[in-house]
Amino acid sequence: QQQVKQSPQSLIVQKGGISIINCAYENTAFDYFPWYQQFPGKGPALLIAIRPDVSEKKEGRFTISFNKSAKQFSLHIMDSQPGDSATYFCAARKGNAGNMLTFGGGTRLMVKP
Amino acid sequence: GAVVSQHPSRVICKSGTSVKIECRSLDFQATTMFWYRQFPKQSLMLMATSNEGSKATYEQGVEKDKFLINHASLTLSTLTVTSAHPEDSSFYICSARDGTATEAFFGQGTRLTVV
Repeated sequence: QQQVKQSPQSLIVQKGGISIINCAYENTAFDYFPWYQQFPGKGPALLIAIRPDVSEKKEGRFTISFNKSAKQFSLHIMDSQPGDSATYFCAARKGNAGNMLTFGGGTRLMVKP
Repeated sequence: GAVVSQHPSRVICKSGTSVKIECRSLDFQATTMFWYRQFPKQSLMLMATSNEGSKATYEQGVEKDKFLINHASLTLSTLTVTSAHPEDSSFYICSARDGTATEAFFGQGTRLTVV
């Protein structure tokens, strides 16, 4: 299967809080798991990505946790800011960047000041 | 680096006409380009994948005669929506990668409204 399931669909967090978005996948052939941030009327921008040989990757306030046995991965946004308010998409891909990305359904994050 | 430029950002066209959307890689040679479609509050759906100099590979359910994709050079791919109808109104996004990159980069999208 190619499906990637993402939750929650929407999320409201207070400024300074932690935003957590979860994704689950079916296809064990996936070997690249990126997260994208999309603002209204703009294309997605890569935030952070992980491969299954590590369980966690951190870049600034953004951390991906990866659980290979459960086929799940999550994005944690620490110290969430109003400027983080956007739609976040997880994705998965098999092989190199010439192959297609399978996207999750998206999470609309609102960070309240 | 890795800038992908899409043009126009917004376009309104009359039903029955055709509209062309351009996707350019500004600082790298894009061996592969992807075209996505995104409806409001929904995820990105891949429409087709094109490799430079080759015919595009369309996803199931995407009409190749309606959505014409040309990837004639390493820096430009075009998507032409032919005989557009209101149901074709959507946000169209391209992404591009060069031959060695681990990531494909997205353009800023084109909002198509067919009236």
